[in-house]
Amino acid sequence: EAGVAQSPRYKIIEKRQSVAFWCNPISGHATLYWYQQILGQGPKLLIQFQNNGVVDDSQLPKDRFSAERLKGVDSTLKIQPAKLEDSAVYLCASSKQGIGNTIYFGEGSWLTVV
Amino acid sequence: GIQVEQSPPDLILQEGANSTLRCNFSDSVNNLQWFHQNPWGQLINLFYIPSGTKQNGRLSATTVATERYSLLYISSSQTTDSGVYFCALVGSGGSYIPTFGRGTSLIVHP
Repeated sequence: EAGVAQSPRYKIIEKRQSVAFWCNPISGHATLYWYQQILGQGPKLLIQFQNNGVVDDSQLPKDRFSAERLKGVDSTLKIQPAKLEDSAVYLCASSKQGIGNTIYFGEGSWLTVV
Repeated sequence: GIQVEQSPPDLILQEGANSTLRCNFSDSVNNLQWFHQNPWGQLINLFYIPSGTKQNGRLSATTVATERYSLLYISSSQTTDSGVYFCALVGSGGSYIPTFGRGTSLIVHP
């Protein structure tokens, strides 16, 4: 079974530029998560999708971050314009429908904003 | 939202030693998982354990939901066990957000 795929793995951009991250969840997984992990901290949920609907985006900085999950499969997370404090690892995860299921993570996309 | 506290924050062991990592939480849970984050940043699921005890090789985990804590046991530690261990959980209070603790950073010396 293929795992959660993410790209790009690494990205360096200047502040005020934009960046997009892509995620392909495990086949058949209805729930998709985007997490932000700053060095030395635990992952923080940015947005959670159930199929192509948003379950929770209360911690997503909506003035600069956006995410979509078209057709309930792949998802993209965009940051525009980027700030220095956005430097982090962006982790995508997926699980079967419902909260009583194991969550599987991708390898992450490392973002450095200079 | 639900609060998650992990202890100890840092742990240094000699290869072959045993250790216990703890995760305390503030509310009843529907979902609790332990993860290992390797030095390359990959989060690997170790256990899905909202209650009870599970074992997988040198690792085992116990969650006592009524007392709101979970323990991860590592026996005969190896250098490859180094990394950060996180517990993540979903409370039963209506929120579906999986919340992570701050992690326990483990270094195993040869």
